Amino acid sequence: DAGVTQSPTHLIKTRGQQVTLRCSPISGHKSVSWYQQVLGQGPQFIFQYYEKEERGRGNFPDRFSARQFPNYSSELNVNALLLGDSALYLCASSLVDTYEQYFGPGTRLTVT
Amino acid sequence: KQEVTQIPAALSVPEGENLVLNCSFTDSAIYNLQWFRQDPGKGLTSLLLIQSSQREQTSGRLNASLDKSSGRSTLYIAASQPGDSATYLCAVNGGSQGNLIFGKGTKLSVKP
Repeated sequence: DAGVTQSPTHLIKTRGQQVTLRCSPISGHKSVSWYQQVLGQGPQFIFQYYEKEERGRGNFPDRFSARQFPNYSSELNVNALLLGDSALYLCASSLVDTYEQYFGPGTRLTVT
Repeated sequence: KQEVTQIPAALSVPEGENLVLNCSFTDSAIYNLQWFRQDPGKGLTSLLLIQSSQREQTSGRLNASLDKSSGRSTLYIAASQPGDSATYLCAVNGGSQGNLIFGKGTKLSVKP
């Protein structure tokens, strides 16, 4: 079975631009979470969606938004990019929100 | 507020040595705890999941223990190999939002 997939793999954007990252969960998983990992740190929680509803939000500004589609895939949007948004963005899926989470390969975002 | 700490931050050992990685958390009200492996620039690979009612889990050369009352978990790696070189991350699931809270990781280097 395919694992969690994310696209694109790498992305370079300019300050002030907007970006959309995509995630497809493992088949049958209904929960998707997004994390941001800056170099040398552990991942930080951004959002969780379960059955297309937002179940949790981390301490990130309103420039960050997400949604989950009927097929349980998800998008993370970041507006008005700042240099500090440069990071590895990780998506994780699980059967339900408290179960084991499986991570995708991540999207490396560089903001110049 | 849940905080997760991993000690040491980095560890270098010769091949064949047994080793222990430590993880501590401040709030014992957790659903589960996961140990992950991360290779440079890559996503996270789940190694072991311990439910809050369990004391330990084993997979091959890996053994993870959990002591909820003291807020501690350890990951034991037997007969280490150069291929075990990676960053190991500990994360707790508090259940309220279903999100994982991560430590900063232990960077392990196993020398041939």
